[in-house]
Amino acid sequence: DTEVTQTPKHLVMGMTNKKSLKCEQHMGHRAMYWYKQKAKKPPELMFVYSYEKLSINESVPSRFSPECPNSSLLNLHLHALQPEDSALYLCASSQDVGREKLFFGSGTQLSVL
Amino acid sequence: AQSVTQPDIHITVSEGASLELRCNYSYGATPYLFWYVQSPGQGLQLLLKYFSGDTLVQGIKGFEAEFKRSQSSFNLRKPSVHWSDAAEYFCAVGARQAGTALIFGKGTTLSVSS
Repeated sequence: DTEVTQTPKHLVMGMTNKKSLKCEQHMGHRAMYWYKQKAKKPPELMFVYSYEKLSINESVPSRFSPECPNSSLLNLHLHALQPEDSALYLCASSQDVGREKLFFGSGTQLSVL
Repeated sequence: AQSVTQPDIHITVSEGASLELRCNYSYGATPYLFWYVQSPGQGLQLLLKYFSGDTLVQGIKGFEAEFKRSQSSFNLRKPSVHWSDAAEYFCAVGARQAGTALIFGKGTTLSVSS
């Protein structure tokens, strides 16, 4: 199994909603990531979870909060989002951080109304 | 500071013609180098990677790339483009030490004309 599975594929939410994005991999990878990608732009790293340690991009607002229930799962909790948060949210995993190739999920297309 | 530059924002190539996408990097040492492709609304798929050894690397879908240390480049090539190659292409660099996430270039959009 070389897949990273993301659910849901599409999500529309209001600015007062609370929702969660889910990501799962069964490749035994030790690093998992959340990226945000706007149209025609490269992915921007939001969070890295590796060896039970979370690394955060300082520019990511607190309305995004990651959670890693176990080594195969990485969730992204969303609360009080803004319309500018509408984007494709990509989850990825790798054997290790930096040196190894990333396996990407197909993403969650998020629209905030 | 580490950076990746893809000088071409958008390239149009005729089907069957050859393709070269440029990538230049700025890094303190020899990095790990990657090319990813992304179709609209999809995640990124790895085309090829360079870690060490032979500087000409072969990837999936008929792509190859050449690492040139003297030019700090890692250009992607394909001898004959197919219409299905139309997509967004990202070059990325990774550190040789663990703990540093990949840095992506801004991407090049490839259009294929018939």
